[in-house]
Amino acid sequence: QVQLVQSGAEVKKPGASVKVSCKTSGYTFTGHYVHWVRQAPGQGLEWMGWINPNSFDTKYAQKFQGRVTMTGDTSINTAYMELSGLRSDDTAVYYCARERFLAAAGVGVIRHWGQGTLVTVSS
Amino acid sequence: DIQMTQSPSSLSASVGDRVTITCQASQDINDFLNWYQQKPGKAPNLLIYDASNLETGVPSRFSGSGSGTDFTFTISSLQPEDVATYYCQQYDILPLTFGGGTKVEI
Repeated sequence: QVQLVQSGAEVKKPGASVKVSCKTSGYTFTGHYVHWVRQAPGQGLEWMGWINPNSFDTKYAQKFQGRVTMTGDTSINTAYMELSGLRSDDTAVYYCARERFLAAAGVGVIRHWGQGTLVTVSS
Repeated sequence: DIQMTQSPSSLSASVGDRVTITCQASQDINDFLNWYQQKPGKAPNLLIYDASNLETGVPSRFSGSGSGTDFTFTISSLQPEDVATYYCQQYDILPLTFGGGTKVEI
């Protein structure tokens, strides 16, 4: 079955960077986009961007442009999201998630989710 | 960015009730609209995609309808396990955007 297993919780100081990993299994890693979505405590869902693990093409939400980098390692079927210049309002649970459709068929329906990684930014 | 407005933000209903949530897009999104369920402390779960298509394995008491700017999500007979927050999400135009959520309680 499709699984996405994320790295553990992180505590960072303002201005630092964090890199969250997302190890996938149960499907062909290069066949589906991987999304990153975050959720601040008690708040709603916010899409950060996606990566096509086949081409390494990325699309980022304008809000995160210049601070976020999404990458992938096809040898270990793992996606990564790095966020730099952390601020207190970046405190959130960060989810990686797999697209429902095959990459050639479209993107925008988020079907399989990781368990989430809590990133706490505090001095 | 396309704004997604959900209503109500919360509701309380009884077991067996019919529950309806609406989602309005700030511009025409065709039928590129999905619905997710999120239980406390868990990741979201896809229930409906393309406005009205039930995801595999999702109980048939969940349904969706609409196109353009106005969409509806319905639980035909509310069950105790349906206590959750429900989100709509559009994917017609980047960035993908979510509604603010509707918390459903019993």
